[in-house]
Amino acid sequence: DQQVKQNSPSLSVQEGRISILNCDYTNSMFDYFLWYKKYPAEGPTFLISISSIKDKNEDGRFTVFLNKSAKHLSLHIVPSQPGDSAVYFCAAASNDYKLSFGAGTTVTVRA
Amino acid sequence: GAVVSQHPSWVICKSGTSVKIECRSLDFQATTMFWYRQFPKQSLMLMATSNEGSKATYEQGVEKDKFLINHASLTLSTLTVTSAHPEDSSFYICSAPDDTEAFFGQGTRLTVV
Repeated sequence: DQQVKQNSPSLSVQEGRISILNCDYTNSMFDYFLWYKKYPAEGPTFLISISSIKDKNEDGRFTVFLNKSAKHLSLHIVPSQPGDSAVYFCAAASNDYKLSFGAGTTVTVRA
Repeated sequence: GAVVSQHPSWVICKSGTSVKIECRSLDFQATTMFWYRQFPKQSLMLMATSNEGSKATYEQGVEKDKFLINHASLTLSTLTVTSAHPEDSSFYICSAPDDTEAFFGQGTRLTVV
């Protein structure tokens, strides 16, 4: 049973524009949410996180929004750069750090 | 920041042999480490939780006798794939949390031929 869902397997965006990645979850016990970036044949790299007490967290070009009532979070990348091309995983956990991952969204930034 | 080192990054082995993958936390102690597996074009799936000084806990459907986990110290966990078969070919990733977040190893690409 997939508790974290990323319904868009891929996203193509032009350099300089905004990338918006979406993620939905079903487990109301999740209180910690993360986005990871992954290049082929490498482990995931932590990007940004948000706890359930917040609805927004910003770090440079990356902003994560959390809507608890809708069980939905999104990642905004502004402006998108070619180096952002990668697979992005949404993950969620309760307080035990056991992460449940979405299936990933492959982002391609076009020059 | 905290670093988790995983070794080897890739390995090819013959069917029926065993393969050991190491996961080390380099600058912090991790009483708990996690092992994930990723099949092509699929999400990372938690296989088991490695607990220092005690038995690992396995997720449903993961064979504990096939995937042996040892967490011998506060900085090292090992995953041994025993009697490997081609269907065990996958990308294995470990993770270790410190007080604030979970850090991932580089991953191990296992190919069983």
